[in-house]
Amino acid sequence: DSGVTQTPKHLITATGQRVTLRCSPRSGDLSVYWYQQSLDQGLQFLIQYYNGEERAKGNILERFSAQQFPDLHSELNLSSLELGDSALYFCASSPLAGTNNEQFFGPGTRLTVL
Amino acid sequence: DAKTTQPNSMESNEEEPVHLPCNHSTISGTDYIHWYRQLPSQGPEYVIHGLTSNVNNRMASLAIAEDRKSSTLILHRATLRDAAVYYCILTSLNAGNNRKLIWGLGTSLAVNP
Repeated sequence: DSGVTQTPKHLITATGQRVTLRCSPRSGDLSVYWYQQSLDQGLQFLIQYYNGEERAKGNILERFSAQQFPDLHSELNLSSLELGDSALYFCASSPLAGTNNEQFFGPGTRLTVL
Repeated sequence: DAKTTQPNSMESNEEEPVHLPCNHSTISGTDYIHWYRQLPSQGPEYVIHGLTSNVNNRMASLAIAEDRKSSTLILHRATLRDAAVYYCILTSLNAGNNRKLIWGLGTSLAVNP
């Protein structure tokens, strides 16, 4: 158990819909990272927040957005969903901002778009 | 962004050493090399990272070539629990002087009893 929690574990929805994935980092960790893992592309870094502010951006689509709240939990919002958005979404946390710190990953949310 | 190349799969026997190679010929001077692994149905977990010198920790050793264009993750005695996908990752500085992890597709390691 990494100490990072993600909800829900599974999500099934339809194309065009909007969903919110939630992540609670390890106690004391200030950085949260979001990743997408699909079968054909491996792990793709989406975005990083540090202490409530966006720190780094990866291959995040404009239909996707994220935020980190004052209590340090984070939400990833996915809108206008397409079939290709079906994937595992992982959240990770680390104590500091730098990505040379060890990242602790949650168990993931499996999103299925029908 | 610098990329990594790893074999798709490897096989090992239990209690034998395993050497997992990674090529990163376009690595830049400021890129760190990280290794994570992902056990079945779990999120990735950190294994080790380094910049230029070889590194050791309780899980593994990381051997980095002198020109830094390749590295090898060494598991000294493989166990069945080490069966996982191993990712060799570079951290790349972006325009805002922040780093992001550039993941490849990883090597799927099978460990035979």
